[in-house]
Amino acid sequence: EVQLVESGGGLVQPGGSLRLSCAASGFTFSSYDMHWVRQATGKGLEWVSAIGTAGDTYYPGSVKGRFTISRENAKNSVYLQMNSLRAGDTAVYYCTRGSMDVWGQGTTVTVSS
Amino acid sequence: QSALTQPASVSGSPGQSITISCTGTSSDVGRYNYVSWYQQHPGKAPKLMIHDVSNRPSGVSNRFSGSKSGNTASLTISGLQAEDEADYYCSSYTSSSTKVFGTGTKVTVL
Repeated sequence: EVQLVESGGGLVQPGGSLRLSCAASGFTFSSYDMHWVRQATGKGLEWVSAIGTAGDTYYPGSVKGRFTISRENAKNSVYLQMNSLRAGDTAVYYCTRGSMDVWGQGTTVTVSS
Repeated sequence: QSALTQPASVSGSPGQSITISCTGTSSDVGRYNYVSWYQQHPGKAPKLMIHDVSNRPSGVSNRFSGSKSGNTASLTISGLQAEDEADYYCSSYTSSSTKVFGTGTKVTVL
């Protein structure tokens, strides 16, 4: 079964850091670009980052310089290192592959003092 | 990069057809045939319904169809059913090598 499972969410203070993980199974992970997408409560979807099969990375302006996406093909995993977190980063973070045809269940990040 | 513009809500009666628009710019929707549509039920992860403007993934009902004209893409749901009541989002690849989502549309089945 093709599956993505996120972990690492939690409560963090403003200015703090958090590292999210996404474990993939059921497909050839190294052959797919991977993305992180977030959704604040009651709000729309926001693309957060992407990493290509060659390790090339992409970010929107809202997180560039604060977030870092990486992958470890040997572990079928993609990560999102989030630094200098703000209240506005509070959201459910989803991991999704390639054409966004498979999504994880999401992990919740709350930035609050 | 601003979000693509979608109507906040669209409604229709069972059996009717509805269309959701997704308006971008010449740097995203208008430039690339990389527009996708997602369905999201409350508390659930999004589900891919259409990719590359008009292609349906395996398992998606043929009641869902996509198209594009200029800077505006559209999702049409024909034969509207109660289970189609959900939020719908479009997305597009952009000239900055990023992705952008639409503002989202709530579909209500009357």
